[in-house]
Amino acid sequence: VQLVESGGGLLRPGGSLRLSCAVSGLSPFSDFAMTWVRQSPVKGLQWVASVSGRGTSSYYGDSVRGRFVISRDNVKNIVSLQIDNLRVDDTAVYFCAKHIVGVAGQFDVWGQGTLVTVS
Amino acid sequence: YVLTQPPSVSVSPGETARFTCGGDNIAVQSVHWYQQKPGQAPLLVIFDDSDRPSGIPERFSGYKSGNPAILTVARAEVGDEADYFCQVWDSSSFQWVFGGGTRLTVL
Repeated sequence: VQLVESGGGLLRPGGSLRLSCAVSGLSPFSDFAMTWVRQSPVKGLQWVASVSGRGTSSYYGDSVRGRFVISRDNVKNIVSLQIDNLRVDDTAVYFCAKHIVGVAGQFDVWGQGTLVTVS
Repeated sequence: YVLTQPPSVSVSPGETARFTCGGDNIAVQSVHWYQQKPGQAPLLVIFDDSDRPSGIPERFSGYKSGNPAILTVARAEVGDEADYFCQVWDSSSFQWVFGGGTRLTVL
């Protein structure tokens, strides 16, 4: 199983961003919940959002609810994270990770991350 | 919900490193542990308090009897130097929570 994140970069406060995570080697992809976690030197590891296998349920951390939207495409095997109204404190490395099965299960495979800098 | 971890642990090679993870409800929550080396993504080393994923050495073990949860790394090696994070699913708020992490130094 391989997870590859993309979409990071240098952005201005107030802007928007869409991160993508391409998943390969996982079949059926729709059997597994997926998640985004971010990491910054100030806040450490911070869970951001999770989406169920079929994409019908999503869950968000308190600090991002209302600005972040997680979604998935079970045909293209991609998980996305839409971030609106970017803030300086959204600066972090964003990791995509796979749950063992459902959203309440541990994260057993991680991508290498994509850096988002808001300045 | 907050998980509390000490910021650092230091041991000599061959000694046992012990990490704690405290939380108000941790006695009834499944605790997972991740190892993160510099520049790398986290790696799951213990799940459901005490189970080891395939490929993780037996030197890594987890234990929980009440509060806190504990991760031990026996016969510590320089290659074990990393940050170790604990994690739980808070079913009351439907959120994942990470501890602040503990940095292991082996010297």
